[in-house]
Amino acid sequence: GESVGLHLPTLSVQEGDNSIINCAYSNSASDYFIWYKQESGKGPQFIIDIRSNMDKRQGQRVTVLLNKTVKHLSLQIAATQPGDSAVYFCAENFQGGSEKLVFGKGTKLTVNP
Amino acid sequence: EAGVAQSPRYKIIEKRQSVAFWCNPISGHATLYWYQQILGQGPKLLIQFQNNGVVDDSQLPKDRFSAERLKGVDSTLKIQPAKLEDSAVYLCASSPTGRTEFFGPGTRLTVL
Repeated sequence: GESVGLHLPTLSVQEGDNSIINCAYSNSASDYFIWYKQESGKGPQFIIDIRSNMDKRQGQRVTVLLNKTVKHLSLQIAATQPGDSAVYFCAENFQGGSEKLVFGKGTKLTVNP
Repeated sequence: EAGVAQSPRYKIIEKRQSVAFWCNPISGHATLYWYQQILGQGPKLLIQFQNNGVVDDSQLPKDRFSAERLKGVDSTLKIQPAKLEDSAVYLCASSPTGRTEFFGPGTRLTVL
């Protein structure tokens, strides 16, 4: 079915540590994935994306890993900062007509100083 | 570059009343989306426009929700009559390509 889920609803880390947020997707036809960050009272903010022909993509302090064999996606945040505290959503996109994004429920990341 | 604009930011109404939300997408973005985000959940697509045409409205409760995008730029989403379960944040997003979406700040609706 069209669903994207997340393994952990909450994640708490110490400032300076690395964070790993996981996501499982169900549609093997999905060919594009996005991680969004949503701070309280704001709309989701694009962080990084990856296409299905890649297994890793790096940005500034963030890395997304894609394992198509087990339909798993992860977001790694290096040297996590208090400003990284937010809810993180993965979303999948597939060319099923409207190319709509399907979001999971999100993982709340809390960074402790 | 200006982001997606939405208004109002907050709205409180009583059930059975009507309400309308407005969205101005990023200039040049052909695709516009309306999402409903219930507290603690991910956004759920309500309707997708490509220019002024509807691409996907399969999850829009058409008995009470309506949306339009006249002239292919701004869009309005209306709920009439509202129910308690419509309490949520309504997010507008736009995209130049139909894939990467850029979101507005949302309108938080409370139905009493």
